[in-house]
Amino acid sequence: GQQVMQIPQYQHVQEGEDFTTYCNSSTTLSNIQWYKQRPGGHPVFLIQLVKSGEVKKQKRLTFQFGEAKKNSSLHITATQTTDVGTYFCAADPTSGSARQLTFGSGTQLTVLP
Amino acid sequence: ETGVTQSPTHLIKTRGQQVTLRCSSQSGHNTVSWYQQALGQGPQFIFQYYREEENGRGNFPPRFSGLQFPNYSSELNVNALELDDSALYLCASTIDRSEKLFFGSGTQLSVL
Repeated sequence: GQQVMQIPQYQHVQEGEDFTTYCNSSTTLSNIQWYKQRPGGHPVFLIQLVKSGEVKKQKRLTFQFGEAKKNSSLHITATQTTDVGTYFCAADPTSGSARQLTFGSGTQLTVLP
Repeated sequence: ETGVTQSPTHLIKTRGQQVTLRCSSQSGHNTVSWYQQALGQGPQFIFQYYREEENGRGNFPPRFSGLQFPNYSSELNVNALELDDSALYLCASTIDRSEKLFFGSGTQLSVL
């Protein structure tokens, strides 16, 4: 079955430093989504990437989808304490049909004030 | 606020018992998915229901079953509970299967 690897598993940064998490799929994807889960909370949708090579920005967050549609990254510029949480990529291998997302194991971000 | 509510928030069961978890989706969200999230892991897809029919299933045994009702509510049933079933169970709704997921706050199930 499809595998989604996400690295690093943990990241501790000083407030103001940048942060990047990477997601790699064993198969070509139709699209990829990113979610954030705060401690004790539930995953919250951040963004969906569909096109090869796509880059999207949300304020300090930059999301990229690889040219081969098998990898993706999330970069946060100048982290803040509000960025604390676990960031998951969620891969969708199919187009349409059931949204059977395969989640990565997540990167847990700690921001030290 | 996602508009997706789950009940109960916490549940303790013993091995071999049966459990029913409930989810109420946003009005108009005709698709509901259930995910299992073990501690320190990403959510794992259990199954999806679209217009009250099962529309896809992950790698979970038949003792995991579900129902979706016309009023946008749904249930996850687990029979013959095992210790490894201890996890956070998340319900996620969406419009027409291919949109972003709106997750509920989850039910934390502990099997002793």
